[in-house]
Amino acid sequence: QKEVEQDPGPLSVPEGAIVSLNCTYSNSAFQYFMWYRQYSRKGPELLMYTYSSGNKEDGRFTAQVDKSSKYISLFIRDSQPSDSATYLCAMSLNFGNEKLTFGTGTRLTIIP
Amino acid sequence: SAVISQKPSRDICQRGTSLTIQCQVDSQVTMMFWYRQQPGQSLTLIATANQGSEATYESGFVIDKFPISRPNLTFSTLTVSNMSPEDSSIYLCSVEGGGFYNEQFFGPGTRLTVL
Repeated sequence: QKEVEQDPGPLSVPEGAIVSLNCTYSNSAFQYFMWYRQYSRKGPELLMYTYSSGNKEDGRFTAQVDKSSKYISLFIRDSQPSDSATYLCAMSLNFGNEKLTFGTGTRLTIIP
Repeated sequence: SAVISQKPSRDICQRGTSLTIQCQVDSQVTMMFWYRQQPGQSLTLIATANQGSEATYESGFVIDKFPISRPNLTFSTLTVSNMSPEDSSIYLCSVEGGGFYNEQFFGPGTRLTVL
């Protein structure tokens, strides 16, 4: 069993829709949770960073963590074609310089 | 945020040869990380490289196959040795960003194809 499971998609939604991306994990010791966005032929860029259960909002993006269920989500409101990318969840045991454990990534396409 | 460059951006290599990938950062960083991103697989940490010490390898990765150098605080190399088609992958370096969360920033990656 993989430590982090993520539906690889691909996922296609019309522009303006709400997108929900999810990851589950098996190691309850993970404390820090990240969402990275990766455009084609680019390196991943950090989108959201959370470290507690609950919701964290940043513009059109909301990250949700449920440690009791070992489940994290990223919601994108009013999706735009520029949101088309692969979204990777990642998590770590400790803060800072630390091994990141990634999901496989979900490829998202926003259709104009 | 740190600006990271990698060379080469892509390469096609023959089985049995070796390729050295360079990672250059625009600021001094203590730790650099090397990841592999195989098709359909998650990004997987190969090793952590501290300046002035031996790299620390993750389970399943060995120094003979992936030797790493870290000569100074802005540069590192990863060599993929005695390559086979299974080594075809994207190789990425990342560094501590020094941001609020001390998050990792990634380079653009090196796309390697082994024939």
